[in-house]
Amino acid sequence: EAGVTQFPSHSVIEKGQTVTLRCDPISGHDNLYWYRRVMGKEIKFLLHFVKESKQDESGMPNNRFLAERTGGTYSTLKVQPAELEDSGVYFCASSQVLQRGRAEAFFGQGTRLTVV
Amino acid sequence: AQSVAQPEDQVKVAEGNPLTVKCTYSVSGNPYLFWYVQYPNRGLQFLLKYITGDNLVKGSYGFEAEFNKSQTSFHLKKPSALVSDSALYFCAVRVFTGGGNKLTFGTGTQLKVEL
Repeated sequence: EAGVTQFPSHSVIEKGQTVTLRCDPISGHDNLYWYRRVMGKEIKFLLHFVKESKQDESGMPNNRFLAERTGGTYSTLKVQPAELEDSGVYFCASSQVLQRGRAEAFFGQGTRLTVV
Repeated sequence: AQSVAQPEDQVKVAEGNPLTVKCTYSVSGNPYLFWYVQYPNRGLQFLLKYITGDNLVKGSYGFEAEFNKSQTSFHLKKPSALVSDSALYFCAVRVFTGGGNKLTFGTGTQLKVEL
């Protein structure tokens, strides 16, 4: 069974440019999450989809970040325009919908974004 | 608000010795606790979880963790460390709020196992 796949693995862009990150969750996982780790800090929650609906987007830093999950399958996270502080590793995770959130989340390998 | 603390940025142990990576948490409600590991150039890999029941949970690669409610801790342990265990370890907590399942992570602990 394929795991969570993220693309690209690395991206270096200039300040002001746009970048789109993609995540393909494990097949059958309705929950999809985006997280971010800024260098040396904790991994922080960005948002949570259940199928195509945004369940919780309380962690999105500002309106330069836009996440979509059309059709409830893969998801994209667009940063427009990128700023220096957006640099970090962006992780995507997916999980099954089990009673009271008992399911563990499976993570992708992450996208390392560097804004210069 | 929930939070997780991993007080040690780095832990060094000799191969064959027992290892402990510490984690304490703060939540209102019953916590679900998780440990993840990140090997170099890899994604986060699930190790084990505590949901309910036995306080000692066993996971992958010989790791285990003990849930201690009174001390609000969930330390990761392994009786005999291997060099291949060297990696970055993250503790995480989830409180099911009915609508969200987000994990709150600690800052991570770099484990280095030396020969």
